[in-house]
Amino acid sequence: NAGVTQTPKFQVLKTGQSMTLQCAQDMNHNSMYWYRQDPGMGLRLIYYSASEGTTDKGEVPNGYNVSRLNKREFSLRLESAAPSQTSVYFCASSEKGELGFGWETEAFFGQGTRLTVV
Amino acid sequence: AQSVTQLGSHVSVSEGALVLLRCNYSSSVPPYLFWYVQYPNQGLQLLLKYTSAATLVKGINGFEAEFKKSETSFHLTKPSAHMSDAAEYFCAVSASGAAGNKLTFGGGTRVLVKP
Repeated sequence: NAGVTQTPKFQVLKTGQSMTLQCAQDMNHNSMYWYRQDPGMGLRLIYYSASEGTTDKGEVPNGYNVSRLNKREFSLRLESAAPSQTSVYFCASSEKGELGFGWETEAFFGQGTRLTVV
Repeated sequence: AQSVTQLGSHVSVSEGALVLLRCNYSSSVPPYLFWYVQYPNQGLQLLLKYTSAATLVKGINGFEAEFKKSETSFHLTKPSAHMSDAAEYFCAVSASGAAGNKLTFGGGTRVLVKP
């Protein structure tokens, strides 16, 4: 059971380059998320998708775009990478709980993408 | 708005000693609270969660946490540390009424276990 799969695992970009981080989940979850992890700051939400066809901004969306391609896949795009975007990026998914939201249930995380922008 | 504060970015314990990781939260509505663990070069996995049922919550690997509303705390404990507990631990809060899972994480506490 793969769970949440992220590609690539490592990437080095030059300032100004673009790239797309891919994420797929096989648990039939409705909700998917992109977080970035920086030392001492925990995880911060970049974008999320509560269900297929919807996306919304999180805490730190500037410089990023997302696409919920279908129920399984949720990609994160950096159009013009900057050194401040050097981070570890995690994709996660969750299912709606009994109250109909995703916030009350467990989030399942991918193994992360370590991105360095030079 | 909701927030989480974890006291201590690093904790060092001896094998067999008590592990205590502190977490305080703020939330304008009754919260759901979570502890996640991250082993080196891996994603996060759920240790335990509080969802307004019992205030003492038991999780995996011998961890437990107690929800104290009066203190707005959700501290994580384990009576006897094991070498395999060396990891980073994150407390997180999520509040009702938010579409999608807007988990807010604390800054994390890295646990070092000494033999």
